[in-house]
This record gives sequence, structure tokens and C-alpha cells, in this order.
Amino acid sequence: DGGITQSPKYLFRKEGQNVTLSCEQNLNHDAMYWYRQDPGQGLRLIYYSQIVNDFQKGDIAEGYSVSREKKESFPLTVTSAQKNPTAFYLCASTRLAGGSNEQFFGPGTRLTVL
Amino acid sequence: GNSVTQMEGPVTLSEEAFLTINCTYTATGYPSLFWYVQYPGEGLQLLLKATKADDKGSNKGFEATYRKETTSFHLEKGSVQVSDSAVYFCALLPDSNYQLIWGAGTKLIIKP
Repeated sequence: DGGITQSPKYLFRKEGQNVTLSCEQNLNHDAMYWYRQDPGQGLRLIYYSQIVNDFQKGDIAEGYSVSREKKESFPLTVTSAQKNPTAFYLCASTRLAGGSNEQFFGPGTRLTVL
Repeated sequence: GNSVTQMEGPVTLSEEAFLTINCTYTATGYPSLFWYVQYPGEGLQLLLKATKADDKGSNKGFEATYRKETTSFHLEKGSVQVSDSAVYFCALLPDSNYQLIWGAGTKLIIKP
């Protein structure tokens, strides 16, 4: 089955620790995205990547970092510089050319910083 | 710039009621429009979409029509069920890039 997987579903970390969230897709999609969602809020774009080894900052990139070494993988690191990292993190992907232009989402990772 | 405005929630309805969730947008060119649904604790799923003016997207009894003259993409369902309780997001994809512009989401609560 094709889709997007995010792991883990729940993640707990102590304040001041870096943590990496995993996102993998087997849809052969070109672009991948990371969003942050706070309770009762909409989605805010953190980073996105349209091609391997290239990525761009979204609206709230401060305190986050990403890499895109493989087409199917787009891990997000939440660094200690992120002032309020507790949130629900969603990864998405889309085909850029000749596709249906919709974004497909993973199940999300809920990060809680203690 | 591009933007999406949704009606604020929560919207509370009784089962079998008629549903409308308003969505209006501001955009240049010819954007595509989407409705996504998010069930509690889950990621988002595409509910329906429309890629050009006067297109009607439909899925699972939900419908929305792309109205360029009123810059709207309102979500409707004739008879809601308890299982429709979720958060619904309206989104716009500009014709100039691949970044979705999101509405704030509308929480829908259906009471039996």
C-alpha cells in the first residue's frame, strides 16, 4: 500500500533536547512538507522540499531543521532553539508535474516537551 | 496576496441536519480549491477538490462548487451523521506554486 508514514505517533522529550521526527513516503512524490498544528488551530508551514538535497523555509522555520537526502524521506529536527515545541506535527507530500496536485498527509506525530 | 477565510466554529448540528461551512478566498489567477477533513488525533484526508471555475467536487455526500464570481467554495451536505464530526479545512493552491494556503479550520459537532 502506498502512503506516508510518520514515526513515532507520540514523542516525549525533556526541555533543551533536540528531537528528530521521521517522515517516509512510497508514493514517488517529488515535494514534501512539514506542518505544525497547535490545539484548535490551523496548519502552519515549517519547511518544504521540492527536490532531493534542496529545501526552503516556510512561515515558522525558526528552531527547526530538515534534510532531504533521499526522495522518499524528509526528517524534521526540532532543536532546543524552538521556544514552544509542544504541538502536533504533520508531514505531507505531493506530485509536482502531471499529478492531481493534492497533498497527501501522514498520521502525524504528537510531540510533548516536558 | 492569497488567503482563505472559513466560518468560525464550532458548528453544532443534530443528526440528519443540512450542513453548510462557508469558505471564501482571495487569489490571483486560477487556483485549485480543496476541502480536507481531520478526525480526532489523525492526519488530514482530502475530502474533495475543484480545479476550475464552476467545477463541483463531491465525495461521501459532501459537495462544494468553485464559484469564481463570489470567490467561494462552500462545503455542503444534505444530511449529516455523527461520524461526520471532525475538523474541516478549506485550502487553496495558487496556480503559481505548490504551497497550499490554509483556512483556520471549522470544527463540526454532530449530536445524535
